[in-house]
Amino acid sequence: KAGVTQTPRYLIKTRGQQVTLSCSPISGHRSVSWYQQTPGQGLQFLFEYFSETQRNKGNFPGRFSGRQFSNSRSEMNVSTLELGDSALYLCASRVRAGPDTGELFFGEGSRLTVL
Amino acid sequence: QKEVEQNSGPLSVPEGAIASLNCTYSDRGSQSFFWYRQYSGKSPELIMFIYSNGDKEDGRFTAQLNKASQYVSLLIRDSQPSDSATYLCAVRMDSSYKLIFGSGTRLLVRP
Repeated sequence: KAGVTQTPRYLIKTRGQQVTLSCSPISGHRSVSWYQQTPGQGLQFLFEYFSETQRNKGNFPGRFSGRQFSNSRSEMNVSTLELGDSALYLCASRVRAGPDTGELFFGEGSRLTVL
Repeated sequence: QKEVEQNSGPLSVPEGAIASLNCTYSDRGSQSFFWYRQYSGKSPELIMFIYSNGDKEDGRFTAQLNKASQYVSLLIRDSQPSDSATYLCAVRMDSSYKLIFGSGTRLLVRP
């Protein structure tokens, strides 16, 4: 069974640019969450999508947005990049049905560097 | 006060010893508790989850939950150098399924 797949794995952008990251969840998983991981702040929740609808949102500015498609694949977008957006962006999926206690399965992440 | 607190470590134990990792959380209504392991440069991987008071064992790992004390721990028996990693405690605090992560404890197992 394939895991969570994220693309691209690494990317470098400059301040002011925008970036789009992609995530394909585990087959059968309908919920996709995005987290930002930095050395200083640790893992911080960005948002969760289920059935193409944003269900939860973390405390990030509006420059961070996302969407989910009918096949459960998800994208997140960061506009007007700032130096502080340099981080590992992790996508995680879960079943969100049946006896679901909420465990997340993470992808390998997309490492964004903003210069 | 942080919502989920962990000692950053590093916690250094000799090979074969028991490693004890601790986590406290602030929200009494928290429902589910997770331990993730993260190797340097890798993504977090789920080790165990627990949602009832008491102990839950899986191989060399035991998760312990005490909701009255708002405390969850992870014991690793017969620690191996391959267990050296950062261990993240995560808590689901409400029905939203959003996980709040602690900052992680770095474990070093000395050969």
